[in-house]
Amino acid sequence: EAGVAQSPRYKIIEKRQSVAFWCNPISGHATLYWYQQILGQGPKLLIQFQNNGVVDDSQLPKDRFSAERLKGVDSTLKIQPAKLEDSAVYLCASNEQMGSRVATDTQYFGPGTRLTVL
Amino acid sequence: AQSVAQPEDQVNVAEGNPLTVKCTYSVSGNPYLFWYVQYPNRGLQFLLKYITGDNLVKGSYGFEAEFNKSQTSFHLKKPSALVSDSALYFCAVRDSMEYGNKLVFGAGTILRVKS
Repeated sequence: EAGVAQSPRYKIIEKRQSVAFWCNPISGHATLYWYQQILGQGPKLLIQFQNNGVVDDSQLPKDRFSAERLKGVDSTLKIQPAKLEDSAVYLCASNEQMGSRVATDTQYFGPGTRLTVL
Repeated sequence: AQSVAQPEDQVNVAEGNPLTVKCTYSVSGNPYLFWYVQYPNRGLQFLLKYITGDNLVKGSYGFEAEFNKSQTSFHLKKPSALVSDSALYFCAVRDSMEYGNKLVFGAGTILRVKS
């Protein structure tokens, strides 16, 4: 079974530029997540999708970050404009279940995209 | 809201010795607990989880974890450490009472196993 795919693996941009990340979850997985992992910290949830609907985006800085999952499969996360503090690894994860069954289900993570903002 | 604490930034053990990586949690409802491992430039890999039932959970690569409700802990253990176990370990928790079932991670513990 193929894992969660992410691209690009690395990205270097200057502040105020825009950037986009792509994620393809494990086939058949209903729930998709984007996390931000700053160096020395644990991953922090940015947004959670169930199929193509948003379940939780309470920690997404909506003035600069946006995400979509239009067909309920792959997803893109965009930052516009980027700030220095956005330098981090952006992780995508997915799990098979949805709704209340998410609670006990295992999340599987992609390799991440390392973003450096200069 | 749920939270996780990993009190040790780093744990050092000699190869062949037992290892323990500590984790404590706080939730309003029932805890669903997970351990993940992260190798350099890689994503997080699932090791094991506790949902209900037996307090001792066995997972991948010989790791196990013990759920202790009274101490609100979920420590990761392995009877005999390998150099290849050296990595960054994350404990995470979901709260059964939390809408959306968000997974909250600790800050991580670096495990160094020396030969």
